Amino acid sequence: DVKVTQSSRYLVKRTGEKVFLECVQDMDHENMFWYRQDPGLGLRLIYFSYDVKMKEKGDIPEGYSVSREKKERFSLILESASTNQTSMYLCASIRGGARGTDTQYFGPGTRLTVL
Amino acid sequence: QQQVKQSPQSLIVQKGGISIINCAYENTAFDYFPWYQQFPGKGPALLIAIRPDVSEKKEGRFTISFNKSAKQFSLHIMDSQPGDSATYFCAALTGGYQKVTFGIGTKLQVIP
Repeated sequence: DVKVTQSSRYLVKRTGEKVFLECVQDMDHENMFWYRQDPGLGLRLIYFSYDVKMKEKGDIPEGYSVSREKKERFSLILESASTNQTSMYLCASIRGGARGTDTQYFGPGTRLTVL
Repeated sequence: QQQVKQSPQSLIVQKGGISIINCAYENTAFDYFPWYQQFPGKGPALLIAIRPDVSEKKEGRFTISFNKSAKQFSLHIMDSQPGDSATYFCAALTGGYQKVTFGIGTKLQVIP
């Protein structure tokens, strides 16, 4: 059974803290994604990675960075957390070379609150 | 800029009724249109998907209708059940990296 896991389900941080959100997939997928989910805005892509050490900006990369040192792990970093980054963060993965016949598999999400 | 427009944002349907969620897109390069279902506390999961060369796809009580010329597609849930209560996202994909563009979501509540 495919699995995408995220390091924390709930996280509370203070403004200005550096925050790391970890995502691990066990499907040997090449492509990994970080989204944030907010009511009325749906899922918005922050960053994605199509290979180890490769990354591409999504639609809302400001205030975030990512790291992909190993194929199975994709980390989202908030360099200096702010209250407007309070959100649900979702990680997803999909195999490389898929042409519409595969789906992205999502983790359960991390609900981050920045005080 | 919302590339996939989804409506309504919330929907209440009686048990046994038909739930209908609509989406529209602008980018003609999109070549795959999945629908995701998300229960509270869970990540979205693929429900059903369609390619633009097909006008309709049915899986059990769930049907996607696709109108390529109008750039619209919709999800119909027949005989809606309380267990269908969830948030539904339409989406569209293009490109080799499988970058997905999502609609804003529809919160469906099926009442007994």
